[in-house]
Amino acid sequence: SQTIHQWPATLVQPVGSPLSLECTVEGTSNPNLYWYRQAAGRGLQLLFYSVGIGQISSEVPQNLSASRPQDRQFILSSKKLLLSDSGFYLCAWTPGGSATNEKLFFGSGTQLSVL
Amino acid sequence: AQSVTQLGSHVSVSEGALVLLRCNYSSSVPPYLFWYVQYPNQGLQLLLKYTSAATLVKGINGFEAEFKKSETSFHLTKPSAHMSDAAEYFCAVSFTGGFKTIFGAGTRLFVKA
Repeated sequence: SQTIHQWPATLVQPVGSPLSLECTVEGTSNPNLYWYRQAAGRGLQLLFYSVGIGQISSEVPQNLSASRPQDRQFILSSKKLLLSDSGFYLCAWTPGGSATNEKLFFGSGTQLSVL
Repeated sequence: AQSVTQLGSHVSVSEGALVLLRCNYSSSVPPYLFWYVQYPNQGLQLLLKYTSAATLVKGINGFEAEFKKSETSFHLTKPSAHMSDAAEYFCAVSFTGGFKTIFGAGTRLFVKA
């Protein structure tokens, strides 16, 4: 069966520090991978998605970047965090291809607080 | 542009009462529609999805939703609320040939004893 791992669960970082959040999927090949951010009262905002190794689509211009160095690994990064980067970050996957009637499988999330 | 609007950021019902969470979408092409539930500090899990097979969709935990094209709506209902239904609910939409799922702002459901 497929599983998705996301870590860390919580993170407190000072303004201006770097960020690296990692997500890995097991039990499937060539998944579509997603990073969402959930800010209080604002729902889920799609940040990045990837349909293959090295292929990253950015949805919102911002202080963050994403990379997919391996088929089932998706990394969210920042060189210098801002206060506005605080939020709950969720990684998700769907089976590969453009079958968007497929549901998203979510990780358990990372609560990031930038102080 | 495609979008999803959830009416009401907070809904409160009594235990045993009808649950109705509203969702409207905007789209120029036929959509796929989803409802997800999120419990505190967890990821989201799928309640149900509409993929054009039937307009009334039944999901887990007694929830169901009806796709109404004329109203561009996909409201979520449950006949009798349980305390365990207290959570945040998200409506979402995706489209044929795309890769993205767009979410509404969410509705937090409170269930009173």
